[in-house]
Amino acid sequence: NAGVTQTPKFQVLKTGQSMTLQCAQDMNHEYMSWYRQDPGMGLRLIHYSVGAGITDQGEVPNGYNVSRSTTEDFPLRLLSAAPSQTSVYFCASRVAGSYNSPLHFGNGTRLTVT
Amino acid sequence: DQQVKQNSPSLSVQEGRISILNCDYTNSMFDYFLWYKKYPAEGPTFLISISSIKDKNEDGRFTVFLNKSAKHLSLHIVPSQPGDSAVYFCAASHGGATNKLIFGTGTLLAVQP
Repeated sequence: NAGVTQTPKFQVLKTGQSMTLQCAQDMNHEYMSWYRQDPGMGLRLIHYSVGAGITDQGEVPNGYNVSRSTTEDFPLRLLSAAPSQTSVYFCASRVAGSYNSPLHFGNGTRLTVT
Repeated sequence: DQQVKQNSPSLSVQEGRISILNCDYTNSMFDYFLWYKKYPAEGPTFLISISSIKDKNEDGRFTVFLNKSAKHLSLHIVPSQPGDSAVYFCAASHGGATNKLIFGTGTLLAVQP
């Protein structure tokens, strides 16, 4: 069982470039989310989705776009990368509407913007 | 505005002793709390949780305590083992359709053999 799969594991971008971080889960989870981890800041929620066709903003959504066309996939798009977006990005999923269902995380994408 | 705070960036304990990790929150609407453990180059993994209707939840060596009046929770690990060395995040959520999870800044636990 693969769980939550994130690609790529590492990525280096130049300022202004665009890219998409991929996230796929095979657990049929309705809820999916993206977090970024920065030193001293913990994990901060970027965007989340409670099902296909439904997305909403988290704590730090600026500079990022998401879409949810299928239950399995939840890509995160950087339209014009900035050095402030250098971070480790984690995708996570869980059963929606289940109050005590924990999040399952992928292993992260380490992004460097120069 | 950090709604979930872990004021100790790091903690070092001897193998076999108790590790106590602390977490404070500001939002009184939070009613479900979780602890996650994270090893380097891996994603966080769920460890233990507690609902606001309880003040203690135990799972093997791990116990979480909740003090709602103080808006404080703690994770106790007894006995601590070298394999417990990791970053520990507390997280909180409040009920509703979205049930967003808000994380603290993390505490790096080092268990010395």
